Amino acid sequence: GQQLNQSPQSMFIQEGEDVSMNCTSSSIFNTWLWYKQDPGEGPVLLIALYKAGELTSNGRLTAQFGITRKDSFLNISASIPSDVGIYFCAGRTYGGATNKLIFGTGTLLAVQP
Amino acid sequence: SQTIHQWPATLVQPVGSPLSLECTVEGTSNPNLYWYRQAAGRGLQLLFYSVGIGQISSEVPQNLSASRPQDRQFILSSKKLLLSDSGFYLCAAGEGNIQYFGAGTRLSVL
Repeated sequence: GQQLNQSPQSMFIQEGEDVSMNCTSSSIFNTWLWYKQDPGEGPVLLIALYKAGELTSNGRLTAQFGITRKDSFLNISASIPSDVGIYFCAGRTYGGATNKLIFGTGTLLAVQP
Repeated sequence: SQTIHQWPATLVQPVGSPLSLECTVEGTSNPNLYWYRQAAGRGLQLLFYSVGIGQISSEVPQNLSASRPQDRQFILSSKKLLLSDSGFYLCAAGEGNIQYFGAGTRLSVL
């Protein structure tokens, strides 16, 4: 099925560094979601975005709904070891099936203490 | 939000054996329910979704089937498992534009 282009695929950083990842689509989205998946667990919702240009924070995490409605980014400031995991973007397209999400391929984040 | 319960957490089954994974949901009534499979390559593949009791839509042809006998119960089944059925299976419930996930079941077919 359709997937979003998510980058980077993986990141290996030092504790305390800032992190940035993004997702792009060829279609216009009306919802962007960011999830985090810890090893062996299900994805957990971090941030939900509903309007173009919307900027939302959740602690050290900040995400934005791109103005073009075709992209979104997630920033993590001052990373800590528990930030390790896979981060997924997901979204719903305008005119798309109202009960389905399209997922990105994930960004694997490793944090060196 | 929805709370999703999945069991078992891990399962090792021989090739050719049957499968039944169960998912139950706490939260708003009549949620959309989903089964995903996540291979080692990390991507989430939608297998089935349901918008109501007895209503199942299949996304990909495969060796698996799904059923929704009750509003908040979603079951993933197989009559004969294949090696390629190994993976991490996730149940999710939809609320508006958001999906909430269970903790997953790790299935190893040997």
